[in-house]
Amino acid sequence: DAKTTQPNSMESNEEEPVHLPCNHSTISGTDYIHWYRQLPSQGPEYVIHGLTSNVNNRMASLAIAEDRKSSTLILHRATLRDAAVYYCILRDYVTNNLFFGTGTRLTVIP
Amino acid sequence: EAGVTQFPSHSVIEKGQTVTLRCDPISGHDNLYWYRRVMGKEIKFLLHFVKESKQDESGMPNNRFLAERTGGTYSTLKVQPAELEDSGVYFCASSSRLAGGTDTQYFGPGTRLTVL
Repeated sequence: DAKTTQPNSMESNEEEPVHLPCNHSTISGTDYIHWYRQLPSQGPEYVIHGLTSNVNNRMASLAIAEDRKSSTLILHRATLRDAAVYYCILRDYVTNNLFFGTGTRLTVIP
Repeated sequence: EAGVTQFPSHSVIEKGQTVTLRCDPISGHDNLYWYRRVMGKEIKFLLHFVKESKQDESGMPNNRFLAERTGGTYSTLKVQPAELEDSGVYFCASSSRLAGGTDTQYFGPGTRLTVL
């Protein structure tokens, strides 16, 4: 039972911004929105998370819709090392478990 | 600081055999999670330890799977007997819940299990 929906794939040119969308229309009030990414042959890697307000860190920015039913991960300047599968995940605050979606495979074009 | 490690990286066994996967979390992390991704499916939660106690095992598929975390350090996940549908990648993650509700889970590289 996927709780999030993402496009299967996206492409971006190197050094351009990338906006990765995610829909989570059934989000509950206690769910945090997490983004992880997975490079080939590696486990998922934490990128960013938020609850209601937009968030920025050294890797990316997270823009959360006012109704929290969607969010967008923003990579400000895509590099070749950013090519990965990006997962938008709802984290249950009570149980702390991660519910993974299908992910978006990001291809960065040199 | 060493990250989450998993052993083995790959395991190929025959249906009906037993396999034990091991996970060493980041030192000091009380929370340890097991997830898996079977072919073509999403990564699914299996269970969650807090120290040596099972906090949540609602994702365990059936009683052929047994997870332990004796002493609250490393964890093992045993599959006995293995079936074809158990093939997939098994991930382990650990976290140390900080004040304020943040809880970044750090994942290991996974163990790829193939059941023939």
